[in-house]
Amino acid sequence: GAGVSQSPSNKVTEKGKDVELRCDPISGHTALYWYRQSLGQGLEFLIYFQGNSAPDKSGLPSDRFSAERTGGSVSTLTIQRTQQEDSAVYLCASSSIAGGFTDTQYFGPGTRLTVL
Amino acid sequence: KQEVTQIPAALSVPEGENLVLNCSFTDSAIYNLQWFRQDPGKGLTSLLLIQSSQREQTSGRLNASLDKSSGRSTLYIAASQPGDSATYLCAVRPASNYQLIWGAGTKLIIKP
Repeated sequence: GAGVSQSPSNKVTEKGKDVELRCDPISGHTALYWYRQSLGQGLEFLIYFQGNSAPDKSGLPSDRFSAERTGGSVSTLTIQRTQQEDSAVYLCASSSIAGGFTDTQYFGPGTRLTVL
Repeated sequence: KQEVTQIPAALSVPEGENLVLNCSFTDSAIYNLQWFRQDPGKGLTSLLLIQSSQREQTSGRLNASLDKSSGRSTLYIAASQPGDSATYLCAVRPASNYQLIWGAGTKLIIKP
């Protein structure tokens, strides 16, 4: 079946602009995660959704970052007033049950964001 | 605060060798540990997931072990092949939340 998809694959924007990144999880997966991978920082957790709710937003680096999930499916990560330090690869993952005995996370290919 | 360390940062070996990648974590209160592979410019592929109650998991030529009390996991790759070349990442899910805490990865090169 189809895996996790993300769009766009690449995004170049100017400092100060807003961007939206989209994630389509595997159908039926109730848990959805956003991570960021930056040079020199490695992978870091941003936010976790269970259904449409986000019980853990602790990884969002500032209030310029927000995310929503609708219909228990698609999620959008929005970065307002982008800064150069936001440049990174943004990865989305989904799993069938968060906290279940098997909660392997399946990752999308990522969106590479470059802020000029 | 949970910290995950992977050693070595890079490894280059001839094809056919068996090899071990190491992962250590500072807090033994984990729910599970996962090993992932990342190919350049691509996303992450889950290789093995070990629950905190398990000691090891196997998939084909891969075997991952977990010693929770000492905060260590190893990924054993048997009879390495050039197609195994990638960055291998270890990630820990703490018992208290649903985040994954990541190591910095081991970049593996298998020489033909």
